Amino acid sequence: ETAVFQTPNYHVTQVGNEVSFNCKQTLGHDTMYWYKQDSKKLLKIMFSYNNKQLIVNETVPRRFSPQSSDKAHLNLRIKSVEPEDSAVYLCASRRVTGQLYFGEGSKLTVL
Amino acid sequence: QQQVRQSPQSLTVWEGETAILNCSYEDSTFNYFPWYQQFPGEGPALLISIRSVSDKKEDGRFTIFFNKREKKLSLHITDSQPGDSATYFCAALSGSFNKLTFGAGTRLAVCP
Repeated sequence: ETAVFQTPNYHVTQVGNEVSFNCKQTLGHDTMYWYKQDSKKLLKIMFSYNNKQLIVNETVPRRFSPQSSDKAHLNLRIKSVEPEDSAVYLCASRRVTGQLYFGEGSKLTVL
Repeated sequence: QQQVRQSPQSLTVWEGETAILNCSYEDSTFNYFPWYQQFPGEGPALLISIRSVSDKKEDGRFTIFFNKREKKLSLHITDSQPGDSATYFCAALSGSFNKLTFGAGTRLAVCP
């Protein structure tokens, strides 16, 4: 049962363009995340929000910026994409017990 | 610095065999260890988890063995099925922090 919804699922763009990925969770969780999964399947946390407040911000390039309108939504904007940004971006929400629920992912290809 | 290590990187077993996936960690503050299963084109999904107060957790064909002293754990999949073919991630969470740290994953292939 999908409870974390991501759009778009795929996006192909050229270097220098701006991209936005949207995420919505219907689980009522307070904490949401963005993870980046590279071609080798490595999962790295990028940002974490708790009830609209940024609480984790790993070392990511400044062109990445999270946006949260309420605790159910966490979007990711990439201002000027680079080839190394090609990856799958995974949104997740977290129960208080620690369990993460992931969306299906948004695959970005930068030409 | 890789705080959660998984081995092997890939594993192939025959249908019906037991697959053993290993995980180790460095940070002694980690106290919650979930295993996630990911199929191609999907996000990871929680498979089974264990807290550091336990040394074993079983759920059907999936069992976690946890050794706190050695900072090691393993996932055993008994009677492996082709449908178990996926990438398995070991992860760790500390109560002090708000982020789940993932290992690099083990790609499991179960041949019929």
